[in-house]
Amino acid sequence: ELKVEQNPLFLSMQEGKNYTIYCNYSTTSDRLYWYRQDPGKSLESLFVLLSNGAVKQEGRLMASLDTKARLSTLHITAAVHDLSATYFCAVDDSGGSNYKLTFGKGTLLTVNP
Amino acid sequence: DADVTQTPRNRITKTGKRIMLECSQTKGHDRMYWYRQDPGLGLQLIYYSFDVKDINKGEISDGYSVSRQAQAKFSLSLESAIPNQTALYFCATSDGTVNQPQHFGDGTRLSIL
Repeated sequence: ELKVEQNPLFLSMQEGKNYTIYCNYSTTSDRLYWYRQDPGKSLESLFVLLSNGAVKQEGRLMASLDTKARLSTLHITAAVHDLSATYFCAVDDSGGSNYKLTFGKGTLLTVNP
Repeated sequence: DADVTQTPRNRITKTGKRIMLECSQTKGHDRMYWYRQDPGLGLQLIYYSFDVKDINKGEISDGYSVSRQAQAKFSLSLESAIPNQTALYFCATSDGTVNQPQHFGDGTRLSIL
């Protein structure tokens, strides 16, 4: 059974600081997705990572995937309040058929002035 | 207009009642999914469907049933609701290609008293 672990689960940081959220998973997969969820809202896709060494960047967020280490990171650069949200990683557990995602528990990020 | 529409958005009901949550999409995707989100637990897959005639159980299907009425419509039913089914329910769609993320509706907040 695939397990996906995110850490930290709660992250409070100051504006302007850098930090990294980690997503570890337990079985072989080279397909990983990052989502953002604002309170009471839907999930918004941030990044799709499809191979070892994949790196994607959008604004102050950068995601990477190391399939050998079974690890993805979401790096936040110079945080701003608007980045406050819950961030989920999800791993494709369907052997490449892209039908079954296993989600981490999420990281609640709070950016303080 | 939203690409993936869930109705109702909020529902409060009593134990033992039958409840139907509806999902419709205009994205033209063949694949549709129902997830459940509990605080601090990420998302768990309830059922998924690849087309009108192909419906599959997810990891937590007990107590739930689904109906795929058309390519664009996928309904989730709770035959006899119980309080531990209180949760936030999401419908999602995908076109099945690995480089495209699943797209989520706005969610239905269900409370069972």
